[in-house]
Amino acid sequence: DIQMTQSPSSLSASVGDRVTITCRASESIGSYLNWYQQRPGKAPKLLIYAASSLQSGVPSRFSGSGSGTDFTLTISILQPEDFATYYCQQSYGTPRTFGQGTKVEIK
Amino acid sequence: QVQLQESGPGLVKPSETLSLTCTVSGGSISSYYWSWIRQPPGKGLEWIGHIYDSGRTDYNPSLKSRLTISVDTSNNHFSLWLNSVSAADTAVYYCAREKAGYNSYYYYMDVWGKGTTVTVSS
Repeated sequence: DIQMTQSPSSLSASVGDRVTITCRASESIGSYLNWYQQRPGKAPKLLIYAASSLQSGVPSRFSGSGSGTDFTLTISILQPEDFATYYCQQSYGTPRTFGQGTKVEIK
Repeated sequence: QVQLQESGPGLVKPSETLSLTCTVSGGSISSYYWSWIRQPPGKGLEWIGHIYDSGRTDYNPSLKSRLTISVDTSNNHFSLWLNSVSAADTAVYYCAREKAGYNSYYYYMDVWGKGTTVTVSS
């Protein structure tokens, strides 16, 4: 199985901050990397697919980059509704695997 | 707009079989992968498996010996059966559509159900 490791596991930030979350794959996965946002008690929501493509309807303050084994999700200007847990997920092979999640909390 | 809805018992006894159905509305079940994902209380997401409209499946090896996923294209739903359950199978179970981007093989889960909580307890 391809292991996905996110860092940090949690972070505290203020509205207006720039936030960066990283995801590392245990082997090269090209650009087969997706990012999801999960608010408490809700289903995950797709933000970014294919490492850097913004899903329709997702605000442009979200962006993704990277390829191979190292990936980044950036929130350029943190908004109140962005406080949530973020997961990366690889679709290079099966089983699909997720990172352990990064919880973004209010400072 | 495609919507997914999970249904099934919220309580299952240990050693019995967990059975869930995901109903697809507002769109066709054809030409996509249909996935099951679960989330134990307070933990992260675990991919269970998926099925294509043809019936081709991929399962998580950690669950494969206990797992069956099927699809009913006539009635636009797909189902999960997990046998010999234990407390470790207690989780919120989500169904999701997995699609590829236009003219690519980059798959992603773009539509999710709201999730259903399944508790394994006697």
